[in-house]
Amino acid sequence: KAGVTQTPRYLIKTRGQQVTLSCSPISGHRSVSWYQQTPGQGLQFLFEYFSETQRNKGNFPGRFSGRQFSNSRSEMNVSTLELGDSALYLCASSFGTVRDTQYFGPGTRLTVL
Amino acid sequence: GQQLNQSPQSMFIQEGEDVSMNCTSSSIFNTWLWYKQDPGEGPVLLIALYKAGELTSNGRLTAQFGITRKDSFLNISASIPSDVGIYFCAGQLGDTGRRALTFGSGTRLQVQP
Repeated sequence: KAGVTQTPRYLIKTRGQQVTLSCSPISGHRSVSWYQQTPGQGLQFLFEYFSETQRNKGNFPGRFSGRQFSNSRSEMNVSTLELGDSALYLCASSFGTVRDTQYFGPGTRLTVL
Repeated sequence: GQQLNQSPQSMFIQEGEDVSMNCTSSSIFNTWLWYKQDPGEGPVLLIALYKAGELTSNGRLTAQFGITRKDSFLNISASIPSDVGIYFCAGQLGDTGRRALTFGSGTRLQVQP
């Protein structure tokens, strides 16, 4: 069974630009969650999508948004990039039930110059 | 928001030694998870704990869900060089509106052959 895939693996952008990251969950999983990992703040939850609807949201500004498609694939968008947005962005997929387990992809390393 | 205190921050041990790390929280969780992350990769699930007091093993790894639901520990027995990496604990409340994982700051493990 294929794992969670994320594209691209690496991105370099400049301040003010926007970026879109993609995540394909494990087959059969309907929930996709996004996390940001930085050396200073560690792993922080951004949001969760389930059946094309945002179900949970972390404490990030509105520049961070996402969506989910009918095939459960998800995209995350960051607009007006700031230097502090440089991070490893991880997505995790799961069935979306109460006690299921989230499985992480390899992440997208975003560098903002 | 909720914070997880994970200790120790780092460990340098000899191959064959046992390792213990733990996480404590100011709030309760319904699920405790332990992940391992290698450089440039996403976290990989090691053990999931769903019930207070539960003790679960996965090969040389053993983890326990504290009875107060505010703590968990992970033990690694007879460490080997491939155990090198960063270990994260994560807590989750788990019901539909609270599925975000809250992560500890990680324990960096180095194993001397």
